This record gives sequence, C-alpha cells and structure tokens, in this order.
Amino acid sequence: GAGVSQSPSNKVTEKGKDVELRCDPISGHTALYWYRQSLGQGLEFLIYFQGNSAPDKSGLPSDRFSAERTGGSVSTLTIQRTQQEDSAVYLCASSITSGKGYEQYFGPGTRLTVT
Amino acid sequence: AQSVTQLGSHVSVSEGALVLLRCNYSSSVPPYLFWYVQYPNKGLQLLLKYTSAATLVKGINGFEAEFKKSETSFHLTKPSAHMSDAAEYFCAVSEGNDMRFGAGTRLTVKP
Repeated sequence: GAGVSQSPSNKVTEKGKDVELRCDPISGHTALYWYRQSLGQGLEFLIYFQGNSAPDKSGLPSDRFSAERTGGSVSTLTIQRTQQEDSAVYLCASSITSGKGYEQYFGPGTRLTVT
Repeated sequence: AQSVTQLGSHVSVSEGALVLLRCNYSSSVPPYLFWYVQYPNKGLQLLLKYTSAATLVKGINGFEAEFKKSETSFHLTKPSAHMSDAAEYFCAVSEGNDMRFGAGTRLTVKP
C-alpha cells in the first residue's frame, strides 16, 4: 500500500521567504508527527497531531514555525521568514494511533535549503 | 523526561565482522525502545522494537537488540556485517504519545 509521502522533495528558498511543506500520511493513521533532521543532530521533534485533539507543539523552535492538519489527514508545516539555520531535512511520520509502542512510518523527507 | 544517548556518531567495521551500536536511555516509566535505520536519501525504517515482552528482540536483516534494565541499555548487534548494512541507525524511546530519537550512528562497512 501507499506509504507516507512528502512534497516537495527538495526546496531552495531565499532567506526571509515563507515555505510550506506537505505531508500525506498513510490512510487511516490518526497520529502524525513532524521532525527536523539537521546534519549530525539526529531527529528533533517538532509537533504531533492525534485525531481531532489539539496538537502538541512543544517542539516547535520558534513562532515562525506552525503546522496544521486538515480533515485529520494531510498536514502542512509552514516556516515564515526563513533563516539559514532552518536548512535541514524535514521528516513526517504517521502511526495508526499515538501511544508508546506504536511504530511510526516515515516519509522520505523534504530537504530545505535557505540561501 | 525520556531521552536516548547513542555512543559513537560513527562506527566502522569490516564486512563479516560483528556490528555493535550502543544506545542508553533515560525514562521515568518502563519505556518502549526502538531502532530505526535510514539509508541515504530515504526515510527511517523500523528495524525492531522492545515493548516489555522478551528482553532479546530480533528484527529485520539479522539485527537484534537486548534490553538491559540494570544498565539502561538497548544495544543493537548483528553477528556478521554486510556491505548493505551501511546506513545511519537511530535509537528511540517512547514513554507516551511521542518518541525521542538519539543523534544517530553512521555505520560504515569496509570490504
């Protein structure tokens, strides 16, 4: 079946511009996660959604970052006024539900380069 | 708060040699522990997970990991490395609704 998809696969933008990154989770998965992977830094948790509950935004690094999930499915991560330190791979994952023990399925990521 | 520490950002082994990737965790409750693998330009793929059943967990591609509560460790091993094992490996811990990842260990396999 279809896995988690992300678009675009690569994005180059100028400093100060806004960007939107999209994630399509596996159909039927109620939990959706966003992570940032910087070189040598591992995965940094950003935000997660579970069904219709309020998202856990505790990992968002600044108020320039926001995310939404429409209809409990597709999610968009928006970065406003991009900075060079925002350059990273942004990974999306989904799981059938939240809670420990449930495997997260990852998309291929969006590589963001801010020039 | 939950966290994991992966000892060694880079590990290099010869083909056919033992692979040992180290992971220590910190958790206030009995954790669930995971190992993921990331091949170049790909997303993460689950290798194996510990969910409080057997302490020795077998995963895909011949990997296994042992949960040792006394050492707060969950090290990943494979008896004989293959060239195709070259990748980045991430240990992760889950106490509740989210998952926290280690910084990753890049495995290189020499012919």
